[in-house]
Amino acid sequence: EAQVTQNPRYLITVTGKKLTVTCSQNMNHEYMSWYRQDPGLGLRQIYYSMNVEVTDKGDVPEGYKVSRKEKRNFPLILESPSPNQTSLYFCASSTGNQPQHFGDGTRLSIL
Amino acid sequence: DAKTTQPTSMDCAEGRAANLPCNHSTISGNEYVYWYRQIHSQGPQYIIHGLKNNETNEMASLIITEDRKSSTLILPHATLRDTAVYYCIVSVSGYSTLTFGKGTMLLVSP
Repeated sequence: EAQVTQNPRYLITVTGKKLTVTCSQNMNHEYMSWYRQDPGLGLRQIYYSMNVEVTDKGDVPEGYKVSRKEKRNFPLILESPSPNQTSLYFCASSTGNQPQHFGDGTRLSIL
Repeated sequence: DAKTTQPTSMDCAEGRAANLPCNHSTISGNEYVYWYRQIHSQGPQYIIHGLKNNETNEMASLIITEDRKSSTLILPHATLRDTAVYYCIVSVSGYSTLTFGKGTMLLVSP
C-alpha cells in the first residue's frame, strides 16, 4: 500500500531537547515536503526536497533542519525546540504532476 | 501560485449531492486545480485534480469552467464521513508548494 509514514505520531517534550520527526515514503517519489498546521494559519511549508541531497526552504524554515540522504526518507530536525514550535506537522511526497500524498501527522507539544 | 476563494462553510443533507465552488480568477495556463480534504486533524487527503477538462473518479467530479476561472467539486452522494474541510488549490505540479487557504467546512447532516 502506498503510504507516507511519520513517527512519532505524538510527542511531548521540553524546550531545548533535540528531537527528530521521521518521514518515510514507499512510492519512490522524488519530491518530499514538511508542513506545519496551526489554528487560524492553515498549513505552511517548512522545507522541501526535490531529490536526494537537494533541499530548500519553504515559508517558515526558522528553527528547523532537514536532510535527504535517501530517496525514501526526509527527517525533520528540531535542534533546540521552543514552545512556538508546538504544532501539528505533516510530511508529504509526490512525483511529476501527480498529487502530493500526506502522512497522518505528528502532534508536537514543547513545554 | 494563483489564489483561490472558497465559501467558509456549507451544509448538505446525507445522500444529496454536495457542490463546492472555488474561484481562481488569476490561474495561469499551466496551473492545475487540485482538491484536498482534511477530516478533523488527519493528513490532507487528495480528492481530484484537473487542468482544463472535467474529471471524475471514484470519489468526486471536478467541473472547470471554460475560462478556468472557477471550478466546482461535486460529491454525488454525500455521507456523514464526508464532513471535512475541503481545500481548492492551484499549483503547477506535484513538485510545487501547496498553498492551503482556509477551505470550506462541509457539514453533512442526517
